[in-house]
Amino acid sequence: DGGITQSPKYLFRKEGQNVTLSCEQNLNHDAMYWYRQDPGQGLRLIYYSQIVNDFQKGDIAEGYSVSREKKESFPLTVTSAQKNPTAFYLCASSIGQRGIAGYTFGSGTRLTVV
Amino acid sequence: GQQVMQIPQYQHVQEGEDFTTYCNSSTTLSNIQWYKQRPGGHPVFLIQLVKSGEVKKQKRLTFQFGEAKKNSSLHITATQTTDVGTYFCAGPENQGGKLIFGQGTELSVKP
Repeated sequence: DGGITQSPKYLFRKEGQNVTLSCEQNLNHDAMYWYRQDPGQGLRLIYYSQIVNDFQKGDIAEGYSVSREKKESFPLTVTSAQKNPTAFYLCASSIGQRGIAGYTFGSGTRLTVV
Repeated sequence: GQQVMQIPQYQHVQEGEDFTTYCNSSTTLSNIQWYKQRPGGHPVFLIQLVKSGEVKKQKRLTFQFGEAKKNSSLHITATQTTDVGTYFCAGPENQGGKLIFGQGTELSVKP
């Protein structure tokens, strides 16, 4: 079955450490996205990519970095520069940016800084 | 910048009551999409509306797209506990086209 896989489901990080969240899709989607969701809040866009080897900053890119070396993969690194990284991170993909058939979301990674 | 706003932010209903969430865009949209996120889960695409004045139904859910293509609503008839979650609307940016999500309406249903 096609879909998006995010790993790990839960992640604990010590302050000052970088951590990388994995996102892999086998839907053959061109566009991929990273969102951050805080409790009771909406979806805030961190980074997005429309094509391999190209990505753009979203609304809250500071303290995060991404790469898009393969169509299937869009990993997100939460750096030590991110002041408040504890959140629920969602990866999504779509056929095109407008999401003609909707965005498909992964099941998310819950990051906790300890 | 372009915005998509949803009201209410929270809605608590008794099981069997109806529920409506409203979505308003600052600009005309080419389409509007709706997503549902169950507690602890991830958003799941429900439907897309494209035409002015379009109405679509999925069982007890009725989706409407306004005549001016700037607003939309989701109405649930006779809510059930399985309807609990957060409902998001989203529309594509006029420049670039990626989706702009509303803040969501969190629905709780009391049995």
